[in-house]
Amino acid sequence: NAGVTQTPKFQVLKTGQSMTLQCAQDMNHNSMYWYRQDPGMGLRLIYYSASEGTTDKGEVPNGYNVSRLNKREFSLRLESAAPSQTSVYFCASRKNTEAFFGQGTRLTVV
Amino acid sequence: GENVEQHPSTLSVQEGDSAVIKCTYSDSASNYFPWYKQELGKGPQLIIDIRSNVGEKKDQRIAVTLNKTAKHFSLHITETQPEDSAVYFCAASRKDSSYKLIFGSGTRLLVRP
Repeated sequence: NAGVTQTPKFQVLKTGQSMTLQCAQDMNHNSMYWYRQDPGMGLRLIYYSASEGTTDKGEVPNGYNVSRLNKREFSLRLESAAPSQTSVYFCASRKNTEAFFGQGTRLTVV
Repeated sequence: GENVEQHPSTLSVQEGDSAVIKCTYSDSASNYFPWYKQELGKGPQLIIDIRSNVGEKKDQRIAVTLNKTAKHFSLHITETQPEDSAVYFCAASRKDSSYKLIFGSGTRLLVRP
């Protein structure tokens, strides 16, 4: 049982490049989330998907887009990366009230 | 929207002592308050949670208390052990279809042997 799987684990981008962070869960959860974690700021919600086919903005959505491809997969896209998007990104899925997190993607934008 | 404040940002205790981490929230409609533990290089994991119809919940060495009137909730760890060293996050959520979790800024707990 893999839980929540994120790829890649590490990535370095140049300013202006684009990339997609992938997330998949095998627990048949309806809700999925993308967070970013920065020192001293905890986890901030970027986007979420309450169910397949729906997505909504969280606290810090600017510069990001998401796709809920199917029930299992929820991807996060950076269209034009900026140094301010250097962070650790976590995907999560939720059953009832408990959220399950992936291992994270450490992204550096230079 | 919801805002969650967490204190202290760092906490160092001697093994065997107790540790207390406190959070306050702003949205009176929030009714679910979990605590997550994050070890180095890993994603956060749920360790205990409390709902607004309960004032206190305990699970072995950890307990959470909630004061809805004051919008405060706290994590208590007794008889701390070195393996309790980690970053702890509180969070708050409304019980709606999104179940959005809004997190505090985290507390780095160090348990000295």
